[in-house]
Parts: sequence; structure tokens; C-alpha cells
Amino acid sequence: NAGVTQTPKFQVLKTGQSMTLQCAQDMNHEYMSWYRQDPGMGLRLIHYSVGAGITDQGEVPNGYNVSRSTTEDFPLRLLSAAPSQTSVYFCASSYSFRRQGLMNTEAFFGQGTRLTVV
Amino acid sequence: RKEVEQDPGPFNVPEGATVAFNCTYSNSASQSFFWYRQDCRKEPKLLMSVYSSGNEDGRFTAQLNRASQYISLLIRDSKLSDSATYLCAPRGTGGSYIPTFGRGTSLIVHP
Repeated sequence: NAGVTQTPKFQVLKTGQSMTLQCAQDMNHEYMSWYRQDPGMGLRLIHYSVGAGITDQGEVPNGYNVSRSTTEDFPLRLLSAAPSQTSVYFCASSYSFRRQGLMNTEAFFGQGTRLTVV
Repeated sequence: RKEVEQDPGPFNVPEGATVAFNCTYSNSASQSFFWYRQDCRKEPKLLMSVYSSGNEDGRFTAQLNRASQYISLLIRDSKLSDSATYLCAPRGTGGSYIPTFGRGTSLIVHP
């Protein structure tokens, strides 16, 4: 089981370039999400999806687009890269389950993409 | 106020020490909470869940205090391998089940 696979692991972009970070999961999880992690800022939610064809904005969506055409894939597109988007990006998939009478969720993360915009 | 607040630390403790972290949350509707562990330059991984009755797993104990809206993580008999960042994550509300994370608390266990 591969879990959550992110590509590429490292990327350097020039300001203004566009690119797509790929994320795929093979666990048939309904939820997928993208986070960015900056020093001292923790994990901030960019966009998320609760199922194929459904996406929504997180805390820091500006400059990013997502789509979810299949359960497995959730690519993140940078429309016009800016130095402020230099960060480590994590994709996660999660599923819900009931325990002790409450709905819970567990997230599984990809290994991350280290992006530098120069 | 941020939804989740954590003291970033670092907490610098000797091997064998007991250390505790707190995490405060602002959404009183949050019902489920989780602690994730993140090693340096790695992805976060689920450490344990936190329920109303608390949760204990070996040297790790997680507690929930709804009245004061915080959760805690207690690590007993710290090991060098416990050095990591510990992230608090309430379960997303509104049915999205997408976790929201705190900044994380850095723990350094030294010999």
C-alpha cells in the first residue's frame, strides 16, 4: 500500500511560472486536503475536498487552484508562482469513523514537496 | 483568536523526564481531538486521539478539558527518540472532517 504519494519532492520555480503539485492516494479515502508549512506558522489549510467533484477553500487559498475529478487524485495548481509561496506543501487524505459515540477522522500525509520560488 | 493555539517551545528536557504540553482551541463545538507527531523534515503522523475520558498509550497520556477548552499531552520517561514537534488537531467541524492544526510544540530530549 503506497498511501499518499506526492510528486515532485523538490521544485524550484521562477516568479510567474505555473506548476501542478500532484497528490494521489490509494486508500479510497473520501477527504483530501492540501496544507503549507512555513517556519513558525504550523500547517495551514489551503484547499480541501470532501469527495470527487467537491472542493472548498481553506485558510490560505489565494494563488492556488484545485480539482478533484477522481477519488484518488487531488492536484494543487500554482497559477503564477510568487516568492511568498516558497514553502513545504503537504497533501493529506483522511477518513471518518465512529469511536466512543463520536465521529472521528485520521489524516495520512504525503512526504511533502519542498518548493522554492526565486 | 486562532482556532488552535500551542506554545511553540522548544521544551528542552533530559532523558527520563516527564513533560506536558497544552493546546487550547476556540471552537467549543469541536468534539474530537488528535495529537500528531512530526519529525524533522518529515510528514506528520497520528500519535493518538483524545476523547472525553482521556486516552493512554504506554508513556503517553492525552486529556481533554472541555470547560477550559484545552487538551494536553503528557509524556513520561522521555526518550531521545521522542524529540519531535507535536501538533494538536481538532477534528474539523461542519461535517468536513478536515483537521486544523496548531503551530506545534517542539520537544528536544537530551542525554
